Amino acid sequence: AQKVTQAQTEISVVEKEDVTLDCVYETRDTTYYLFWYKQPPSGELVFLIRRNSFDEQNEISGRYSWNFQKSTSSFNFTITASQVVDSAVYFCALDFGNEKLTFGTGTRLTIIP
Amino acid sequence: DAGVTQSPTHLIKTRGQQVTLRCSPKSGHDTVSWYQQALGQGPQFIFQYYEEEERQRGNFPDRFSGHQFPNYSSELNVNALLLGDSALYLCASSLDVLSAYEQYFGPGTRLTVT
Repeated sequence: AQKVTQAQTEISVVEKEDVTLDCVYETRDTTYYLFWYKQPPSGELVFLIRRNSFDEQNEISGRYSWNFQKSTSSFNFTITASQVVDSAVYFCALDFGNEKLTFGTGTRLTIIP
Repeated sequence: DAGVTQSPTHLIKTRGQQVTLRCSPKSGHDTVSWYQQALGQGPQFIFQYYEEEERQRGNFPDRFSGHQFPNYSSELNVNALLLGDSALYLCASSLDVLSAYEQYFGPGTRLTVT
């Protein structure tokens, strides 16, 4: 069975600080997809990134970057120079290409002005 | 381009009642998935509809049922409501393309069972 663990329940940082959200997953499959979603107070899940299990290249998109390490089954998310608008709940999720996402319990990120 | 829409936004029901939630997928999408998100938890997969049929199902009892219409919109029905059914119900749509996909989520329907 697959499982996604986000050990950090809540994180608070002061604006402009960098912050890393951790995600550890478990699966016996060799082909899978990892995701990060952002959930602002409005409730709608916003897609941030998808990464397949064969692509271990790190990715950077503006202030966001992702570090995928298959050896440690981790897919961590870093926000550089955080802003108040980054405050939200962030979810890591796992999928096997069948659009049936398994989510972690989420990390609530609060950016203090 | 309209995204995924859901109705109603909020709903209050009494234990034992039945409820129907509705979802319109993003334009061009043909697959609809439903998720239940309890307070403080991550979303949990309920089921998925494609070509008007349930294609996959998560670990939810038969009280949870659904339907997909020819225009790809979908309904989620929950019978004999329990207090534990109180949650945010999220609908997600995608295009059934083998090579790549991305699910778009709606704003959700918050169901409260009293």
